[in-house]
Formats: sequence, C-alpha cells, structure tokens
Amino acid sequence: GAVVSQHPSRVICKSGTSVKIECRSLDFQATTMFWYRQFPKKSLMLMATSNEGSKATYEQGVEKDKFLINHASLTLSTLTVTSAHPEDSSFYICSARVSAYEQYFGPGTRLTVT
Amino acid sequence: AQSVAQPEDQVNVAEGNPLTVKCTYSVSGNPYLFWYVQYPNRGLQFLLKYITGDNLVKGSYGFEAEFNKSQTSFHLKKPSALVSDSALYFCAVRDYGDKLIFGTGTRLQVFP
Repeated sequence: GAVVSQHPSRVICKSGTSVKIECRSLDFQATTMFWYRQFPKKSLMLMATSNEGSKATYEQGVEKDKFLINHASLTLSTLTVTSAHPEDSSFYICSARVSAYEQYFGPGTRLTVT
Repeated sequence: AQSVAQPEDQVNVAEGNPLTVKCTYSVSGNPYLFWYVQYPNRGLQFLLKYITGDNLVKGSYGFEAEFNKSQTSFHLKKPSALVSDSALYFCAVRDYGDKLIFGTGTRLQVFP
C-alpha cells in the first residue's frame, strides 16, 4: 500500500523557537494532504488541508500564522510551528489523500516544547 | 455537519471472545464511514470502509463492520479477539473536501 513518512518522529524544542515537520508521500503523488493534532488520549483534530501549489485551508480556531503549512511539491507538505509554546506540545499526524475514499497516514511526530 | 460518536471510552474483552466497538453516525446525504486503528505513538492504520453495497464490510486483521442505516450505526466487530488487537480504535466519516471527521476513540483491551 501507499506509504507516508514523517520527519522527525520526535522533536524537543525550546519555547519561542520554530520547528518544522515534514510529511512525504513515498510512492505516490498527493495533491492534497491533511494535518491533524492529537492530544493525549484524545481524538484527532483536523488542523488544515494542504493543497499542492496553493494556500492551505485552515479549520476554525487554528491560527494560520502560528501553524504554517507549505505544500510545495506533490510529495511533500511541511508544517512549521512558529514561536512554539509548551501548549503546542502534542502528537502531529499527517495524511495524504489517495482518492476520495482513501487517505494514508504518517507515523506521527511527537513535539515537546520546553 | 457530519459527525460520528463512539460511546465507549474503553472496551475490555477476554482473548478468544468476540468483540464489538460501537460507532454511530450523523450525516447529511450518503455516509462514507471508516475504521482506523492506532498503536501507541504511531499513526493510524486503515481497517475498513463502507461506501456502498453490502452492509457487512470485511477488513484487515479479521475485522468486520456492519452498516445499519435504520440505527445509524457502524459497529466494528471481530469473532475472536487477540491480545495483539489491544489498541485505540477510531471511527470516522468523510466530510466535504474529503476530510475525515473522527470519533473520540475507543481503547480496546484484550486480556489473556
């Protein structure tokens, strides 16, 4: 099946710094990728839809200036958490749309902001 | 708006017994429903989906789900649970733009 990777798998950063998370579709092209955030023992919250070559569409309540999304190629989307704070610590998961009924998920990135 | 509900935070079952993880949905139009499983510190793995056709959907690892339109349910089932099935299970519904809306998740614990 289709494979989606995320890098890094874990990252620790200091408050006020920025951190970039990459989401790659390894063996297929994805014009659309999704970014989710998962709090401990909670469901996945969709943050934004990333479309190749255009601006991301953010869900209500998600700060687009804080969570910068870039989808510069058909196999790569990046999420940059800017000026990170401890409350941004979370598990971030991306998915790549294969078809209207199929998404493949990355393994997730654990972000810890100290 | 599309939504799914998973009424149980946790389901406990003995190994070898049948298991059911419940999901109900609320949609406008035809429902497109999914089940995913998540192991600790991992992404989601696809189990099965219902788009149209037979109400009983068979998926990965011996799981199946029954679509029930009158009860607006899409419960996940397995005839004989394994300890290795212990994980977090999510029901999801497709929203506009092919987005997925997830339920709150149900932790399945299978005891030896």
